[in-house]
Amino acid sequence: QSVLTQPPSASGTPGQRVTISCSGSSSSIGTNTVNWYQQLPGTAPKLLIYSTTQRPSGVPDRFSASKSGTSASLAISGLQSEDEADYFCASWDDSLNAWVFGGGTKLTVL
Amino acid sequence: EVQLLESGGGLVQPGGSLRLSCAASGFTFRSNAMSWVRQPPGKGLEWVSYITTSGDTYYADSVKGRFTISRDTSKNTLYLQMNSLRADDTAVYYCTKDGSGWPFDSWGQGTLVTVSS
Repeated sequence: QSVLTQPPSASGTPGQRVTISCSGSSSSIGTNTVNWYQQLPGTAPKLLIYSTTQRPSGVPDRFSASKSGTSASLAISGLQSEDEADYFCASWDDSLNAWVFGGGTKLTVL
Repeated sequence: EVQLLESGGGLVQPGGSLRLSCAASGFTFRSNAMSWVRQPPGKGLEWVSYITTSGDTYYADSVKGRFTISRDTSKNTLYLQMNSLRADDTAVYYCTKDGSGWPFDSWGQGTLVTVSS
């Protein structure tokens, strides 16, 4: 059971906009920044979003993220087939004194 | 280019020990916090341990007292000593480098640890 809660799956057609949610608590997302990771099939995860809304260089601006209260969300616009991957959110939890992840969302491009 | 190369994984019996290594290059190793993150087969990510630039260490409750993280700045190498291994420690273990205020901004390719008799 993950500390952060994500939907197990999401889907969309090419060109669509898809959002993935990540729900936490006052001691995690409510207090700290959120980071998002993309894991393409058979590869190591890759940093997609840091400090809640920032994109590392090389990440397309089709990827955006936000936070409100104890929840965060990742949005992917102009969906492409290469976006098919698992997406994970992560945050520091002040109560657990630990980094915590969401269970991951498998995105399917139909 | 940042490179993180893990080694030391393999098959070990329950109760056994293993030491993972992560050779780092392409950045100033002593200036970055480092972490280990694991992923059981077909499952999600789990943070395991974290070491700061000054050597302070943090552990997930699931490994506290059994795993020890350390770093050798003269060798640009991160370690994870794993003792009293259990079946639920079976996972791919990733070495990660932290960014300036955010975690896991670079990942190694991972090394598989299998705990089984």
